[in-house]
Amino acid sequence: AQSVTQLGSHVSVSEGALVLLRCNYSSSVPPYLFWYVQYPNQGLQLLLKYTSAATLVKGINGFEAEFKKSETSFHLTKPSAHMSDAAEYFCAVKKGQTGANNLFFGTGTRLTVIP
Amino acid sequence: ETGVTQSPTHLIKTRGQQVTLRCSSQSGHNTVSWYQQALGQGPQFIFQYYREEENGRGNFPPRFSGLQFPNYSSELNVNALELDDSALYLCASSLERSNTEAFFGQGTRLTVV
Repeated sequence: AQSVTQLGSHVSVSEGALVLLRCNYSSSVPPYLFWYVQYPNQGLQLLLKYTSAATLVKGINGFEAEFKKSETSFHLTKPSAHMSDAAEYFCAVKKGQTGANNLFFGTGTRLTVIP
Repeated sequence: ETGVTQSPTHLIKTRGQQVTLRCSSQSGHNTVSWYQQALGQGPQFIFQYYREEENGRGNFPPRFSGLQFPNYSSELNVNALELDDSALYLCASSLERSNTEAFFGQGTRLTVV
């Protein structure tokens, strides 16, 4: 069964500091992994996705994530936090390429950026 | 090109009632998925529709049902509403059922009282 675990339901960083949001996955087959962002009262916006190509994935808004099979991790990073990055972030996994396009989401990490 | 749109944005219903939520998929997308996001939780997959047929279902009871129309818009119907059904309901569309990128609407906030 596919699942993801997000470590830390709340993360606070100072403006300009490194952002690191952690995600570990469990999958019996090569996974497709995603990071989504959700601003208050909004839907989900795709930040980036890993689909078995390059292990370092670059996304929008300066975010990137590295797929590490040995650690079953897909942590999200950004070198310098902006106030506009304050939001809820969700890691998600999808089983392979075929089948229903259903995503399994983690419980989310709320990022607070301190001025 | 319009994105995924959902209606209504907010809804209040009484326990035991029925509700219908609507979703217009992004232009050219033939696959629609529905998710339930309870407060403080990640979204949970309800089901997916591909070319008007249900193509996968999560762990939700039969009182959650859906439809997809020839123009690929979709409805989510929930019968016999329970208090725990209070949540944000998200619709996502994708170009094909196997496509890895899903585009989400802004959701419908359902409150059951």
